[in-house]
Amino acid sequence: KAGVTQTPRYLIKTRGQQVTLSCSPISGHRSVSWYQQTPGQGLQFLFEYFSETQRNKGNFPGRFSGRQFSNSRSEMNVSTLELGDSALYLCASRDSREIQETQYFGPGTRLLVL
Amino acid sequence: GQNIDQPTEMTATEGAIVQINCTYQTSGFNGLFWYQQHAGEAPTFLSYNVLDGLEEKGRFSSFLSRSKGYSYLLLKELQMKDSASYLCAVMDSNYQLIWGAGTKLIIKP
Repeated sequence: KAGVTQTPRYLIKTRGQQVTLSCSPISGHRSVSWYQQTPGQGLQFLFEYFSETQRNKGNFPGRFSGRQFSNSRSEMNVSTLELGDSALYLCASRDSREIQETQYFGPGTRLLVL
Repeated sequence: GQNIDQPTEMTATEGAIVQINCTYQTSGFNGLFWYQQHAGEAPTFLSYNVLDGLEEKGRFSSFLSRSKGYSYLLLKELQMKDSASYLCAVMDSNYQLIWGAGTKLIIKP
């Protein structure tokens, strides 16, 4: 099976702009989670989508939003970008039928906000 | 609040053994995961523990004590390629993963 893919891999934006990141999960996986990773902070959970519905949400401001399409592909949007939004954004998919709920990560999108 | 603690950085010698500890306080428990992340790459799954005890998988083993809120990842016969960050994550009662900040493991020849 093909792995989780994310586009774009790298992105440079300026403050105030908005950005949309895309994630295609492993075929058959219906759950997609988004994380922000910054040095020293670890992975911070943004939200999880399952069958087009947001199932869980982390503690991020409303500028961060997402959605999932009927083919399980997901997009994440950040509006009014701030310098602190510079980070690696990781998407992970999982097969909710698996007992241990292992997540498989994509390579990430590295966002730099200037 | 929910909290996962692990050392920030550890150093070990090639061929040796290293133990990376993880302590947690979460709302409920549905399992503990260890992931490996090489610099600039995505995390990859190493192990999953939901019952107390030791799970062995080749050179890597993971231990869990639910009563102590404690886990460790044991790496044997260290190789240079084991230089990476090791992430501990706990699945809480809402099936949400809570992540530690990761332990950067440096292997020296």
